[in-house]
Amino acid sequence: IAGITQAPTSQILAAGRRMTLRCTQDMRHNAMYWYRQDLGLGLRLIHYSNTAGTTGKGEVPDGYSVSRANTDDFPLTLASAVPSQTSVYFCASSPGPGANVLTFGAGSRLTVL
Amino acid sequence: GQQLNQSPQSMFIQEGEDVSMNCTSSSIFNTWLWYKQDPGEGPVLLIALYKAGELTSNGRLTAQFGITRKDSFLNISASIPSDVGIYFCAGPTAASGGSYIPTFGRGTSLIVHP
Repeated sequence: IAGITQAPTSQILAAGRRMTLRCTQDMRHNAMYWYRQDLGLGLRLIHYSNTAGTTGKGEVPDGYSVSRANTDDFPLTLASAVPSQTSVYFCASSPGPGANVLTFGAGSRLTVL
Repeated sequence: GQQLNQSPQSMFIQEGEDVSMNCTSSSIFNTWLWYKQDPGEGPVLLIALYKAGELTSNGRLTAQFGITRKDSFLNISASIPSDVGIYFCAGPTAASGGSYIPTFGRGTSLIVHP
């Protein structure tokens, strides 16, 4: 079934550790996005990529980095995790930038202690 | 920060009741989308609206693109227990370089009592 695969599903991490959340899509979508979901705050955009080789900052980019080496993969890295990064992270994709019909992954629940 | 104001924040209703929620923007949108998130899953698109004044239905769901292009409404008729979840509105906001990125409202959490 075509879609987005996120890994890990959940993770508990000590503060200060480095963590990479993986996201892979098989729909050949050009645009990909990382959101975090926190209670009462909805979905907030962290970083995005309109096409392979380009990335952009969203609403809450601090403490996160991304790369887009190819069309299918869009990993999100926390260089030195802090407790405020405890959240549920969703990867999404769309056929192109501005084409706002997003397909979401199932999410990665991250707890930073 | 986010430019979409979604209300109400939460709703507790009885099965069979109708539900209304809305979303307003500080700027004009060319597209409005409504997503539903089931517990433990990612959001899934319900309805997409592309024209001011447009009224679109998907089963028991009806959504409207406000004439001012700054608001949208989602109605659910005759609610059932599986309508439980978080409903998000979304629209494109301008990003650097002339592109647009999808921005979401904070969501409306719906609980349906049997």
